[in-house]
Amino acid sequence: AQRVTQPEKLLSVFKGAPVELKCNYSYSGSPELFWYVQYSRQRLQLLLRHISRESIKGFTADLNKGETSFHLKKPFAQEEDSAMYYCALSGREGAQKLVFGQGTRLTINP
Amino acid sequence: DTGVSQDPRHKITKRGQNVTFRCDPISEHNRLYWYRQTLGQGPEFLTYFQNEAQLEKSRLLSDRFSAERPKGSFSTLEIQRTEQGDSAMYLCASSLGAFNQPQHFGDGTRLSIL
Repeated sequence: AQRVTQPEKLLSVFKGAPVELKCNYSYSGSPELFWYVQYSRQRLQLLLRHISRESIKGFTADLNKGETSFHLKKPFAQEEDSAMYYCALSGREGAQKLVFGQGTRLTINP
Repeated sequence: DTGVSQDPRHKITKRGQNVTFRCDPISEHNRLYWYRQTLGQGPEFLTYFQNEAQLEKSRLLSDRFSAERPKGSFSTLEIQRTEQGDSAMYLCASSLGAFNQPQHFGDGTRLSIL
């Protein structure tokens, strides 16, 4: 079964502190992993995906196949990072539909 | 290009009525997806089109739900005989057809059943 688990519904950190949003997945194969973000009053948008291996807005995420995790990290949080973050996976064939976790609401305190 | 467009943004209706939502994808995108999102949950996949062909449907999509994409451009999602449990945000996304192109989401249609 395909499943994405984000154990924290809410995460609050101070500006300048490191941030880590956890994501674990279950998939019988080699999935593609994504992080999507939804800022207040905006649509869901792609933040980054593991296949690109890039850093976006200071965020990085490393796919750990042994631990089946894809945690999102940023060394120094900024207030504009406050948003809803969703981890998602898709298969490599067919519809490539996204399976989302329930999301983590990140709040950066000044 | 303004991205994926969905209409209406909000729909309030009485239980038992039929509703139809529209999605206009990004013009060159041949893949189109519908998702449903309820409060406190991530989006859940409903159905997928490659051009005009509906290639996959979730078990969440009961026989009261029907989706079309008649000319491979815009898509409609119809819910017949709406129920309280249909209250949700309905999201449309589109992507190019190549390997794992990112999906671009619309703002969604929020459905409220009275």
